Amino acid sequence: DGGITQSPKYLFRKEGQNVTLSCEQNLNHDAMYWYRQDPGQGLRLIYYSQIVNDFQKGDIAEGYSVSREKKESFPLTVTSAQKNPTAFYLCASSTRRVDEKLFFGSGTQLSVL
Amino acid sequence: QKEVEQDPGPLSVPEGAIVSLNCTYSNSAFQYFMWYRQYSRKGPELLMYTYSSGNKEDGRFTAQVDKSSKYISLFIRDSQPSDSATYLCAMKNGSGNTGKLIFGQGTTLQVKP
Repeated sequence: DGGITQSPKYLFRKEGQNVTLSCEQNLNHDAMYWYRQDPGQGLRLIYYSQIVNDFQKGDIAEGYSVSREKKESFPLTVTSAQKNPTAFYLCASSTRRVDEKLFFGSGTQLSVL
Repeated sequence: QKEVEQDPGPLSVPEGAIVSLNCTYSNSAFQYFMWYRQYSRKGPELLMYTYSSGNKEDGRFTAQVDKSSKYISLFIRDSQPSDSATYLCAMKNGSGNTGKLIFGQGTTLQVKP
């Protein structure tokens, strides 16, 4: 089945540690996105990528980094510079560049130990 | 003031009720309007997508856009317990590569049997 796979489902980070969230899609979509979801705040855009080897900062990029070496993959690294990383992270993709019809993965819950 | 305002609820209704979910917005340049449904700890899924003012119906769901009042609604008829979820409105200005998708906070709906 086509879709977006996020892993792991749950992730714990120790202080000072970098962690990487995986996002893979087999929908042949050009654009991919990372959102952060906190209770009562909706979805906030961290980074997005319209094409391989290119990505743009979203509204809350500080403390995060991404790469887009393959069309299918868009991993997100939460660095130690992100002081409040506890949140639900959602990866999404779309058929057209910066399209509004997003397909989402099932999310990764990141917590701090 | 947030660009998109949505009452977080929770909204609790009996099975079979008509549900009305609403969002207001301040940016008159928004042209594309969407509703996403998100089950607990899952990724959102696109429910309705509309462009321009008016109504759009899909089964038990009707999306309504009133650009003059900067107000959008999602109506659910004959609500079912399986409709219990968080409903996120989203909107965007421009088209193609322009504009940015803005999400509301989400309204949590519970339909009681």
